[in-house]
Amino acid sequence: DIQMTQSPFYLSASVGDRVTITCRASQSISSFLNWYQQKPEKAPKLLIYAASSLQSGVPSRFSGSGSATDFTLTISSLQPEDFATYYCQQSYTTPQTFGQGTKVEIK
Amino acid sequence: QVQLVESGGGVVQPGRSLRLSCAASGFIFSNYGMHWVRQAPGKGLEWVAVISYDGSDKYHADSVKGRFTVSRDNSKNTVYLEMNSLRAEDTAMYYCAKDGSGSGAPLDYWGQGTLVIVSS
Repeated sequence: DIQMTQSPFYLSASVGDRVTITCRASQSISSFLNWYQQKPEKAPKLLIYAASSLQSGVPSRFSGSGSATDFTLTISSLQPEDFATYYCQQSYTTPQTFGQGTKVEIK
Repeated sequence: QVQLVESGGGVVQPGRSLRLSCAASGFIFSNYGMHWVRQAPGKGLEWVAVISYDGSDKYHADSVKGRFTVSRDNSKNTVYLEMNSLRAEDTAMYYCAKDGSGSGAPLDYWGQGTLVIVSS
């Protein structure tokens, strides 16, 4: 199985900060990397697919980059509604696997 | 708009069975693969199973293989997860999710989840 490793596990930031979360795959997954946002007691929501494509309706302050094994999710200017947990996921092969999550909290 | 509504969760004793359902609407159900993903309390997301658009291909995570079975009824726009020999470690919120378009697509829509608690 492909292992997905996110860093950091936890991130404390202020409104307006630029935030970057990284995700590393244990083998090349081309660009089959997706990012999800999950707020407490809610279902995950797709933010970015195919490493860098913004899902419809997602604010442009979210962006993704990377290929092969190394990927990043960037929030250009953190907003109050962005405090949540973020997961990367590979859809290159079955079983699809998720990173362990990065919790973004208010400083 | 796309809607996925899970049902069938509850409290069940270890070793017993449960069947989860996920009713879909707002898209052509028979054109898309469907997934189940679970989340244990306070933990991350774990992919559980996928079924192809026509039900001909199914894959299950090793952690549930031989105990859980995914199926679908395209005439009812519903996907199921039959869970047998339940264990305490199966306690989780179970989400169904729709495949996007194309190979390697993301999970573009999720249901609100149904909670399964395995406890004596």
